[in-house]
Amino acid sequence: AQSVTQLDSHVSVSEGTPVLLRCNYSSSYSPSLFWYVQHPNKGLQLLLKYTSAATLVKGINGFEAEFKKSETSFHLTKPSAHMSDAAEYFCVVSVGTDKLIFGTGTRLQVFP
Amino acid sequence: DGGITQSPKYLFRKEGQNVTLSCEQNLNHDAMYWYRQDPGQGLRLIYYSQIVNDFQKGDIAEGYSVSREKKESFPLTVTSAQKNPTAFYLCASSITGAYGYTFGSGTRLTVV
Repeated sequence: AQSVTQLDSHVSVSEGTPVLLRCNYSSSYSPSLFWYVQHPNKGLQLLLKYTSAATLVKGINGFEAEFKKSETSFHLTKPSAHMSDAAEYFCVVSVGTDKLIFGTGTRLQVFP
Repeated sequence: DGGITQSPKYLFRKEGQNVTLSCEQNLNHDAMYWYRQDPGQGLRLIYYSQIVNDFQKGDIAEGYSVSREKKESFPLTVTSAQKNPTAFYLCASSITGAYGYTFGSGTRLTVV
């Protein structure tokens, strides 16, 4: 069965320092993987997606993620955090062609 | 602009009452979904529909009902049988899950 595990429920960084949000997945076949961001009381916005093309995926707002099959990981990174990056981030795996399975989320705090 | 519209943004309901949450999309997407979000639990699938006049239960369908009479619309009714309805409800649509979803901005339902 497909699943995702977000390894940290909270991550705190200082503005201008790197961001690393960790995600491991479980899938019986080649998965489609996504990262979404949610600001308070808002819907989810797609940051980036992996669909079996390049293993390093670049997304919006300077975020990127690397698909590592040997480690079953899809960690989200950004070289330099900005205050506006403070939000909740969800790692997601696609099940077949219709349903998505969401991780429990990582709350990112950015301190000045 | 194409997108998904959820209304209302905030909704208050008395115990024992049914209430209907609206979700409309103009993206020409075939599939539509309803998720419930509670703090620390990520998103849980309530119902989904891949085609007009057809829908399937998700992981937590008890106490909810849906209809899909038009491609653009997928309303969710929270019935009095739902024991703990206070939550943030998100609607989404997709061409296919493998390409990710587009989310609405959500409806926060509070039972008073």
